[in-house]
Amino acid sequence: NAGVTQTPKFQVLKTGQSMTLQCAQDMNHEYMSWYRQDPGMGLRLIHYSVGAGITDQGEVPNGYNVSRSTTEDFPLRLLSAAPSQTSVYFCASSYAGFNTQYFGPGTRLTVL
Amino acid sequence: RKEVEQDPGPFNVPEGATVAFNCTYSNSASQSFFWYRQDCRKEPKLLMSVYSSGNEDGRFTAQLNRASQYISLLIRDSKLSDSATYLCVAANTGNQFYFGTGTSLTVIP
Repeated sequence: NAGVTQTPKFQVLKTGQSMTLQCAQDMNHEYMSWYRQDPGMGLRLIHYSVGAGITDQGEVPNGYNVSRSTTEDFPLRLLSAAPSQTSVYFCASSYAGFNTQYFGPGTRLTVL
Repeated sequence: RKEVEQDPGPFNVPEGATVAFNCTYSNSASQSFFWYRQDCRKEPKLLMSVYSSGNEDGRFTAQLNRASQYISLLIRDSKLSDSATYLCVAANTGNQFYFGTGTSLTVIP
């Protein structure tokens, strides 16, 4: 099993550009989530999904969109990148909402 | 008020020492609790779940006090390899995980 995979590992964007961060898991987990991690702020939940076709907002959803068309994939879209979105983004999955979460290796995003 | 609060440290301890981290959570309805470990520039990885009765895994002991809404982690006989950031987590019934900002530990030879 590959576990949770994320692409790309690193990305530099200019303000106003859009992009999609990819996340996939092969553990047949129903629950998937996206976090951002900033110095001194810890991990903050952006969006999450409890199953295919179902998504919900977390603590810091503004500026991000998600969709969940399959159990395996949970992409995160930045609609119009801003410097405040410079961060490390982690995708995670778990069997259920409050079970152990398994994290991907992260995407380091810089917005200039 | 943050959902989960931790002392950021840093904690610098000699090898072989015992060190304890505490964390408080604000939502009394939180259902599940965990300690995660995060190495520099890596993803968080589960260290251990925290059960109401307390639980131990080798040199690591986790405790939960629901009345006071705090979680603790005790590391005995610290190793150099224990140097990392330790994240406290509370999960609620709304399928949301709340992470503390982490406590930095450096074990010194």
